[in-house]
Amino acid sequence: KQEVTQIPAALSVPEGENLVLNCSFTDSAIYNLQWFRQDPGKGLTSLLLIQSSQREQTSGRLNASLDKSSGRSTLYIAASQPGDSATYLCAVRQGNAGNMLTFGGGTRLMVKP
Amino acid sequence: DVKVTQSSRYLVKRTGEKVFLECVQDMDHENMFWYRQDPGLGLRLIYFSYDVKMKEKGDIPEGYSVSREKKERFSLILESASTNQTSMYLCASRLSENQPQHFGDGTRLSIL
Repeated sequence: KQEVTQIPAALSVPEGENLVLNCSFTDSAIYNLQWFRQDPGKGLTSLLLIQSSQREQTSGRLNASLDKSSGRSTLYIAASQPGDSATYLCAVRQGNAGNMLTFGGGTRLMVKP
Repeated sequence: DVKVTQSSRYLVKRTGEKVFLECVQDMDHENMFWYRQDPGLGLRLIYFSYDVKMKEKGDIPEGYSVSREKKERFSLILESASTNQTSMYLCASRLSENQPQHFGDGTRLSIL
C-alpha cells in the first residue's frame, strides 16, 4: 500500500528565504504527483501537477521536481513571503489504483516578516 | 477560472439525522470526489464519481452514500449521522484522468 511522507511537519523561516519542502512515497509506480496549498479552515488549492514522465514543473516562484526512481518530490519556494504561510500537501496517484490520490500529512509553513 | 462550490461552510446536525452535503462545479468536469480530513489522519477518499450516475467506493465509504444525477453536482449523504462523522468534508473535481484535482472550500460538519 502506498505511503506518502512529508518532512518536516512544520517549518518557520524569515521572509525572503528560499526553501524546500520534501515529499517521499514508497511505491514508485505512480501516475502523477500533485502539490497543494491549504490555508487554515479552507479547502486545497492546486499548485502544480507533475506527470510521471516529467522531471519538474514551474509556476512563478514555485518549482516542483520529481524523482520517481527514488520516490521523492521537492517543492522549492523562492524568495518566501508571509503570504506563503500555509500547509503544503503532496498527493500521488497510483498507476493501478483508478482515481485515488494518496496524501501526505503536510508541512505547515510559517514565513515571518 | 476553476470553481468548486460546497453548499455550506459550517453545518451542525444531530445524531441519527440524514445529512446532505452538496457540491457543484461549473467546469464540465467528468470526475468528482468526496474526502474527509481529520487531524492526524490527513485526507481520506470517501467516494468518487467518474461520470453521471457512476460511483465507486474510496477508502472509507461506510456510513455514506453519494448521488450524481447531473454532471455538475455530486452529493454526499450521511444516512444516519453519528458523532464519529464530525469532520471537515472536501469536494473536488477533475476534468479527466491526467488533470489536476480542484477543491472546494470545505464543509465543517459537527454531529452532536
